[in-house]
Amino acid sequence: EVQLVESGGGLIQPGGSLRLSCAASGFTFSSYAMTWVRQAPGKGLEWVSVISATGGTIFYADSVKDRFTISRDNSKNTLYLQMNSLRVEDTALYFCAKGYGSATYNAFDYWGQGTLVTVSS
Amino acid sequence: DIQMTQSPSSLSASVGDRVTITCRASQGISNDLAWYQQKPGKVPELLIYGASTLQSGVPSRFSGSGSGTDFALTISSLQPEDVATYYCQNYNSAPLTFGGGTKAEIK
Repeated sequence: EVQLVESGGGLIQPGGSLRLSCAASGFTFSSYAMTWVRQAPGKGLEWVSVISATGGTIFYADSVKDRFTISRDNSKNTLYLQMNSLRVEDTALYFCAKGYGSATYNAFDYWGQGTLVTVSS
Repeated sequence: DIQMTQSPSSLSASVGDRVTITCRASQGISNDLAWYQQKPGKVPELLIYGASTLQSGVPSRFSGSGSGTDFALTISSLQPEDVATYYCQNYNSAPLTFGGGTKAEIK
């Protein structure tokens, strides 16, 4: 059974940093692209970043470029999102999701339950 | 960047009605289009990928169509368990943008 479990969220002041983790199990983690998607309270889905299966290809949404860094450790079956210079508008539930196939650009067939990041003074 | 525009933003229909949600891409994305369903308080679930391929386990009353810039999600007979927000998503190229969502309710 595929499982994705996010952690690392919390309350942080504007300008602060957080690192989110997503522990994966039930599939060959190193064979699939992974992505982060966020959802602000009461709002729609916003794609944040994607990383290829090997980690060699990475893309970001303009809203987080130069502030967030996606990475993965295939030996630990874990996806990360380092978030720096956090802003109030980064407040959201952050989901990790698994790519459907081997391509970097793909639909997302499994999602974690999300970890809540609240940026507030 | 590719923009994804969904319509309507909300709909209210009776049980058994046929409902259609449309999604327009600002430039051609071939058939690299997915649809997701997010029930209240739940995690999004993949319904359709490749614009028209039903994900395993999804009821056959859901169908997808379109290619290029214009796409549609159709529910052939709306059921109470279909109350949810539906999102389209471009995965042709980054950024992998979502549409704004369509909230479906029962009349």
